[in-house]
Amino acid sequence: DTEVTQTPKHLVMGMTNKKSLKCEQHMGHRAMYWYKQKAKKPPELMFVYSYEKLSINESVPSRFSPECPNSSLLNLHLHALQPEDSALYLCASSQAPGNSNQPQHFGDGTRLSIL
Amino acid sequence: QKEVEQNSGPLSVPEGAIASLNCTYSDRVSQSFFWYRQYSGKSPELIMSIYSNGDKEDGRFTAQLNKASQYVSLLIRDSQPSDSATYLCAVKGNNRLAFGKGNQVVVIP
Repeated sequence: DTEVTQTPKHLVMGMTNKKSLKCEQHMGHRAMYWYKQKAKKPPELMFVYSYEKLSINESVPSRFSPECPNSSLLNLHLHALQPEDSALYLCASSQAPGNSNQPQHFGDGTRLSIL
Repeated sequence: QKEVEQNSGPLSVPEGAIASLNCTYSDRVSQSFFWYRQYSGKSPELIMSIYSNGDKEDGRFTAQLNKASQYVSLLIRDSQPSDSATYLCAVKGNNRLAFGKGNQVVVIP
């Protein structure tokens, strides 16, 4: 188990559904990240939040909508996804964003399947 | 040229042997380097971080960094079947973590 908690662990949804992925950390980290990982590929960065503000959006389609309600929580809202969006979605967190020495710690991920 | 390259194919090592993994990176100003282990179907787990030239040892793992050659490596001593996983090299820059494609290690009992 990791100190970054993601729910749900598995999610199956249709292309017309709306769902949300949730991520929580209580390590006092002020940077949080969403990654997408396809099988046998490295994680691909989607979004970065620094001090609860969106600082990086890696040209992610608008059907993915991130939200950071507070310093401990990160959500990813999903709407009208495509089958190619099926992947493992990973949340990560790290200490103060400006300190490049701090590693990112990953949650267990949500395995998403789009029917 | 990719930011972080891990070129070796799957690595098979006998139990008890040393597994050696290599990684090169393109951005000379990179300051932080990490190795993550990922078991099949699981999330990446941080196993080593290194910031200065030279060696850093933690248990059976040794990370080596050479900034002049833009090269970082990971040695796994006394390899165990539980070390069978994909190892991801990651380099931090511009508030982003750039990953290599990973190296699969298979430890044969």
